[in-house]
Amino acid sequence: NAGVTQTPKFRILKIGQSMTLQCTQDMNHNYMYWYRQDPGMGLKLIYYSVGAGITDKGEVPNGYNVSRSTTEDFPLRLELAAPSQTSVYFCASRREGDYGYTFGSGTRLTVV
Amino acid sequence: AQSVTQPDIHITVSEGASLELRCNYSYGATPYLFWYVQSPGQGLQLLLKYFSGDTLVQGIKGFEAEFKRSQSSFNLRKPSVHWSDAAEYFCAVGAQDNAGKSTFGDGTTLTVKP
Repeated sequence: NAGVTQTPKFRILKIGQSMTLQCTQDMNHNYMYWYRQDPGMGLKLIYYSVGAGITDKGEVPNGYNVSRSTTEDFPLRLELAAPSQTSVYFCASRREGDYGYTFGSGTRLTVV
Repeated sequence: AQSVTQPDIHITVSEGASLELRCNYSYGATPYLFWYVQSPGQGLQLLLKYFSGDTLVQGIKGFEAEFKRSQSSFNLRKPSVHWSDAAEYFCAVGAQDNAGKSTFGDGTTLTVKP
């Protein structure tokens, strides 16, 4: 099993550009999450989804959007990139009844 | 609201020595607790978890953690550290609701001296 796959691994954006961070899982997990990790900090929850068609905001949702059209995919959209969005982004998923997460390997995003 | 504190930003231990990483949590009920490890440039990997029952839980790679309700703590331990254990360690508390959102501490970086 591939687990949770994130693409791209690295990206440099200019201020005001847009991009989509891709996240796919092949474990048939209903629950998926997007976190960002800033240097020396823990992970902050951006958005989450409890199933296809259902999404909700986390702790730091401003500047981001998500969709969940299928169980497998949970893309994160940045519409107008800002330097404050420079971070490492992690996607995670979990199965029903188990609250531990499986993480992807992350996307390192730099906004210049 | 749930929260996690990891008091130690950085810990250095000698290879073969024992290890204890501290974690304190705040949660209104019996918490779900986790320890994750992150190697450089990698995602987080689940080491162990506590949901209920025995307060001493065993995980992968020889790690264990003990839940102490009276101290609101969930410290991670390993009897003998290996050089490959050098990494960043995160404690997390999970909400017991349908969303199951986890809140993470700021992490502890472990350096292992030869």
